[in-house]
Amino acid sequence: ELKVEQNPLFLSMQEGKNYTIYCNYSTTSDRLYWYRQDPGKSLESLFVLLSNGAVKQEGRLMASLDTKARLSTLHITAAVHDLSATYFCAVDITSGTYKYIFGTGTRLKVLA
Amino acid sequence: DGGITQSPKYLFRKEGQNVTLSCEQNLNHDAMYWYRQDPGQGLRLIYYSQIVNDFQKGDIAEGYSVSREKKESFPLTVTSAQKNPTAFYLCATSPGRVRNQPQHFGDGTRLSIL
Repeated sequence: ELKVEQNPLFLSMQEGKNYTIYCNYSTTSDRLYWYRQDPGKSLESLFVLLSNGAVKQEGRLMASLDTKARLSTLHITAAVHDLSATYFCAVDITSGTYKYIFGTGTRLKVLA
Repeated sequence: DGGITQSPKYLFRKEGQNVTLSCEQNLNHDAMYWYRQDPGQGLRLIYYSQIVNDFQKGDIAEGYSVSREKKESFPLTVTSAQKNPTAFYLCATSPGRVRNQPQHFGDGTRLSIL
C-alpha cells in the first residue's frame, strides 16, 4: 500500500525557534511537493522537488528531498506567527496514472 | 486570469437529496481531481480524471459520482447514498502528461447536512 507519512502531526513552537517537519513515503518517486493550508482555506503550492538532493528555499522555509531514503524535510528557521498553518507533502506516483498521494499533514502553531 | 472555480462556496443538503458541486478550470490542464477533507484531517481522493470521457475511482468513491464531458469541467454529485457528506470538498487540476508540476486547487465547497 502506498503511504505518505508526516511527523509530527502537531507542532507548537515559539517564535524565533527552528524546527523540521519530516515526510516519509513508501513508493518510488522523484517528485515531491509541499503545500500550505490556512484554516478554512484551500491548498497553496510551496515547493516542487524533482530530483534526489533537490533543495528549495523561500523565506524562512527550506525543503529538501532524499529519494534514496524516500524522505523529504521542511525546515523552519526562526519561526514567525505568520507561518502558522497546516503543511502537507504529496508524492507524484511514477506509474502511468496522474495520481498524487498526500501526507497526513502537520498542523503548525507558532506562539508569540 | 487562469484558475479553478468551484461553486457554490457553501451548500446544504437535505436527507435523500443529491447535490452537485461544480468545478471549472481554464488552465488547459488534462487531469482533474476531487478530494474530501474532514475537519482537522488530510485529503482523501474521491475521483480523478486524466482525460475527457474517462475517470477513475479514488479511495472513497462510494456515494459519489462524476462526469467529464469536457476538458474544462468535472462536476461531483454527492448522492443520497453518501450518509455522512459533511466535509470540505476540494477540486484540483494538474497538467497531466507534462509531469513535474504540482496540483492547483480551487477554493473549495463546504457541504453540510440540513
